[in-house]
Amino acid sequence: KAGVTQTPRYLIKTRGQQVTLSCSPISGHRSVSWYQQTPGQGLQFLFEYFSETQRNKGNFPGRFSGRQFSNSRSEMNVSTLELGDSALYLCASLRTSGSLNEQFFGPGTRLTVL
Amino acid sequence: GENVEQHPSTLSVQEGDSAVIKCTYSDSASNYFPWYKQELGKGPQLIIDIRSNVGEKKDQRIAVTLNKTAKHFSLHITETQPEDSAVYFCAASSNYQLIWGAGTKLIIKP
Repeated sequence: KAGVTQTPRYLIKTRGQQVTLSCSPISGHRSVSWYQQTPGQGLQFLFEYFSETQRNKGNFPGRFSGRQFSNSRSEMNVSTLELGDSALYLCASLRTSGSLNEQFFGPGTRLTVL
Repeated sequence: GENVEQHPSTLSVQEGDSAVIKCTYSDSASNYFPWYKQELGKGPQLIIDIRSNVGEKKDQRIAVTLNKTAKHFSLHITETQPEDSAVYFCAASSNYQLIWGAGTKLIIKP
């Protein structure tokens, strides 16, 4: 099975611009989660999508948004970029097993805001 | 809500020695505890996990133990090798959500 793919892998933007990141989960997985990881920080949860619906949301401003398509591919968008948005953005493909979700991560998109 | 604390933040061990990373959690309803390894420039990779009905699980040189009463779980790596150098994250799952520890940077000294 192919793993989780994220595009692009690297991105450089300037303050005030917007950006869209893409994630394709593992075939057959219907749920994805997005995380932000900054240097020295752990994984900060952004949101989770299941069957095109946002199921959970972390504590991020409204500039961060996402969506999921009928083929389970997901995108996240960050508008009005700030320097502090520079980070590795990770997408995880979720496999539901009983009452828990196992998460499988993609390689991430490294966003640099200048 | 759930809170996960992970210690130490950095661990340096001699090649061949053992390494132990510990995590505590607060929500007694948590029922799934995965460990992830993140190498430089890559996404986290699931290396081992344990469910709340099991006390210990082993996979070659790595093992995880869970103490539900004390609400803590640990990752044990024996006979450490240079390729074990990475950042390790623990997590606890409650209500389908994973709550993450802050990570431990493991350094293997030659």
